[in-house]
Amino acid sequence: DQQVKQNSPSLSVQEGRISILNCDYTNSMFDYFLWYKKYPAEGPTFLISISSIKDKNEDGRFTVFLNKSAKHLSLHIVPSQPGDSAVYFCASDTGRRALTFGSGTRLQVQP
Amino acid sequence: GAGVSQSPSNKVTEKGKDVELRCDPISGHTALYWYRQSLGQGLEFLIYFQGNSAPDKSGLPSDRFSAERTGGSVSTLTIQRTQQEDSAVYLCASSPPGGVGEKLFFGSGTQLSVL
Repeated sequence: DQQVKQNSPSLSVQEGRISILNCDYTNSMFDYFLWYKKYPAEGPTFLISISSIKDKNEDGRFTVFLNKSAKHLSLHIVPSQPGDSAVYFCASDTGRRALTFGSGTRLQVQP
Repeated sequence: GAGVSQSPSNKVTEKGKDVELRCDPISGHTALYWYRQSLGQGLEFLIYFQGNSAPDKSGLPSDRFSAERTGGSVSTLTIQRTQQEDSAVYLCASSPPGGVGEKLFFGSGTQLSVL
């Protein structure tokens, strides 16, 4: 029973364009969401987060949008750069004491 | 060191053998987590330690898996009688004191291959 879902296993975009990564969750009680980025042979690193009291959080080229009624969040990267090529995981505090992660989306930014 | 350290980075073992994976968290971090990532899959929660509280073992897939954290610092994940389906990258993370949703700092992982 996946409580956090990333339905797109991969995404390819051109350098300079917008990358949009999506995530859906099942429990309306979730109150904190995070995005992590993972390069091969490295551990995931924190990228950006959002609390359920907000619908948008921006940090440089990265913006996370939260649509609570749809139980959906998205990560926008503008403009995309080749160094952004990685696997992106969304995660949520699901009421247990550890974060629950989605299955990840592999982003490839073409030069 | 400044980050979470895991050893070994790679481990190849034969089916039926026991393995131990080690994690050194960031100094001062009270919470420690183990996750694993099987090929093509997401991050699967295994176990969580927070200070002196009883660990949350709810993610351990079978009784062949166990973990301990000595002195509130170093943790060892033990897999007994390994099976081929145990092959995965085992990731350890730690986090500083704080409420839920705190950011996790991950190590580079141990790639376990069971032949």
